[in-house]
Amino acid sequence: DTEVTQTPKHLVMGMTNKKSLKCEQHMGHRAMYWYKQKAKKPPELMFVYSYEKLSINESVPSRFSPECPNSSLLNLHLHALQPEDSALYLCASSQDTSRSDTQYFGPGTRLTVL
Amino acid sequence: AQKVTQAQTEISVVEKEDVTLDCVYETRDTTYYLFWYKQPPSGELVFLIRRNSFDEQNEISGRYSWNFQKSTSSFNFTITASQVVDSAVYFCALVNTGGFKTIFGAGTRLFVKA
Repeated sequence: DTEVTQTPKHLVMGMTNKKSLKCEQHMGHRAMYWYKQKAKKPPELMFVYSYEKLSINESVPSRFSPECPNSSLLNLHLHALQPEDSALYLCASSQDTSRSDTQYFGPGTRLTVL
Repeated sequence: AQKVTQAQTEISVVEKEDVTLDCVYETRDTTYYLFWYKQPPSGELVFLIRRNSFDEQNEISGRYSWNFQKSTSSFNFTITASQVVDSAVYFCALVNTGGFKTIFGAGTRLFVKA
C-alpha cells in the first residue's frame, strides 16, 4: 500500500488565521517531505524530516512551521500567511533519505489565503 | 549543476495516437536516479518509474515505455495508443545518490482529445 493521505483537501484562510495541514503515511517510511506547488510549476521542496528530525529547511519563511510528532505523521502549521502563499501543498514520504528512494506523494491540500 | 529540461510545455494529441515526452538531464555525478511522475488534474503526483544510472535497459509497462540513453543524457517517455485518461502533467525528475532533493523538470502538459 503506497498511500499518503493529506487533510484537509481544501483550505481557505485569512491572513490573521492559524491553521494546520496534516499528512499521514503507514508504509513504515522514515523520511517525510513538504512541497509547495504553484500553478503550472513543478513542486518546490520546503522541508525534509528524517527519522522524525528536521534535516532540511529550504529557507522557508517562519510563518510555516513543520512538526513531526511521530514517524507516521507530519504537520505544517500556518500563521500570518500572505496571499502569495496560496498554492497546492504536497506531502511525500520515502523509505529513507540516504538512498535516493522513491518519494510517494499525497493528494495535496489546496490552500487559498485571502 | 543539476538540471532537468522538459522542452515540451504542452502537447495535444487525439486518442489512440502515440506520444513521446522528452526529458534531458544534466548532472556531474556518475550515480543518479531518474523518475517520471504523472500529475492528473486532481493534484496528486503519481510515481511511474525509477531508473538508476547504471541500468540503461529500456522498460515497457503496458502502454508506457521509457528510453534511457546516457550518451545523450535523455530519459524519454512514450505512451502508446493514448487515452483521454492520460491527460495530465508529466514531470521528469533527477536525484543523486544519497540525495533527498528531487530536481524536477518544468513538466509537460499532455492533452488527449477523444
